[in-house]
This record gives sequence, C-alpha cells and structure tokens, in this order.
Amino acid sequence: EPEVTQTPSHQVTQMGQEVILRCVPISNHLYFYWYRQILGQKVEFLVSFYNNEISEKSEIFDDQFSVERPDGSNFTLKIRSTKLEDSAMYFCASSVQGNYGYTFGSGTRLTVV
Amino acid sequence: KNQVEQSPQSLIILEGKNCTLQCNYTVSPFSNLRWYKQDTGRGPVSLTIMTFSENTKSNGRYTATLDADTKQSSLHITASQLSDSASYICVVRKVNTGFQKLVFGTGTRLLVSP
Repeated sequence: EPEVTQTPSHQVTQMGQEVILRCVPISNHLYFYWYRQILGQKVEFLVSFYNNEISEKSEIFDDQFSVERPDGSNFTLKIRSTKLEDSAMYFCASSVQGNYGYTFGSGTRLTVV
Repeated sequence: KNQVEQSPQSLIILEGKNCTLQCNYTVSPFSNLRWYKQDTGRGPVSLTIMTFSENTKSNGRYTATLDADTKQSSLHITASQLSDSASYICVVRKVNTGFQKLVFGTGTRLLVSP
C-alpha cells in the first residue's frame, strides 16, 4: 500500500538553528499538507500546498516557516530559526483531491534544545 | 468557532468488550467526518470517512455513526483487542474554497487491558 514517507524520524536542533523536514508524498497525489502535534495536544493544521503554491495556511505558519516542492517527489518544511515552542511531532500528508485519499506520514519528532 | 470535542478523554476496557467513543463538532460548513486511529509516536491512520448523507459506516470491528443534524458522531469498537489500544481522533473536514483543511479533535485515549 502506498505510503507517505518522512525523514528524519527524529531531529534534535539548537534554538535559533534552521531545520528542514522532508516528506515524500504518494506519487499520484496532488495536494500536500503539513500538520504538527505538540506533545499531549491535538493535531493542528499548518499549511496546504497545491499546484506549486500555498493554498491555505494557519496562524501558526508565520514567516519563520516555508514549504517547497523542489522536485517531483519531495515536499519540505523549513523552519528558519527554531524556537523551543517549535518542539513537536510534524506530520506530512497528501491527498489525491476532493474528499478522499488523505494519507499521513509517520511524522518527524522535532526537539529544540 | 470551528471545534471538534471528544469524550471521554480516556477509557480503559477489558479485552473482548465493546466501547463507544463520542464526537461533537461545530465545524461549518461541513464536508465530511473521519475517524482516525493514532498509535503513540505514529501518524493518524484513517478508519472511516462519512459525508453529510451517510449515517453509518463500518470497517471491520469499527462502526461509525453520524447525525449531521445534531452534529454528533460516534465510533463503536466491537470485541476489543489489545492492539486497539491507541488514541482515536475525530476529524472534520471544513469546506474552504475547495481546498482540504482538517480540524482535529483532542482524541480519546483507549487502553485495552488483558
């Protein structure tokens, strides 16, 4: 069964450093998303991406965040200058279109120290 | 405000028993409602998806119901197994300019004990 693959599974970074989280969506999917889950809290929407541009973003997704699809397979989330409160599980997801085919990756646990 | 509330927050049941998890939502406009299972440290895995017109949908031992009038949904797990221990999350898709945005509930943490 097709999977959304995320790397690395766990990343530790120092406050103020830049991090790039990587995702390989399912190959025939057209919509891409990033969500995050702070430990013990609910999953929160960050951003959706379609046709090589951001289609929607939440208030969490400020100027420190950016997304990119540098080639035909990867979808990345960059945090420019990490803060302690960025520590969370970051989930990538992709979907075909419309209502169905929404698949999550296993997540990257980001720890900012 | 677009909210998804779940109850109970946590639940412990004996292996083999049934249980029902509840979800109330205020998300509008509503497109569909999903139940996900999330194992600790893993991504959510879809169990069921229901649109406005569907009242019941089953996936093996999981049966979800939806009452779009009262904005309530439930997930019933039959003959629970130890592997059912996980968080169960109710997620509502909000219709927003044609793009998908999911609103997550806080989840119910289920523990199935031997």
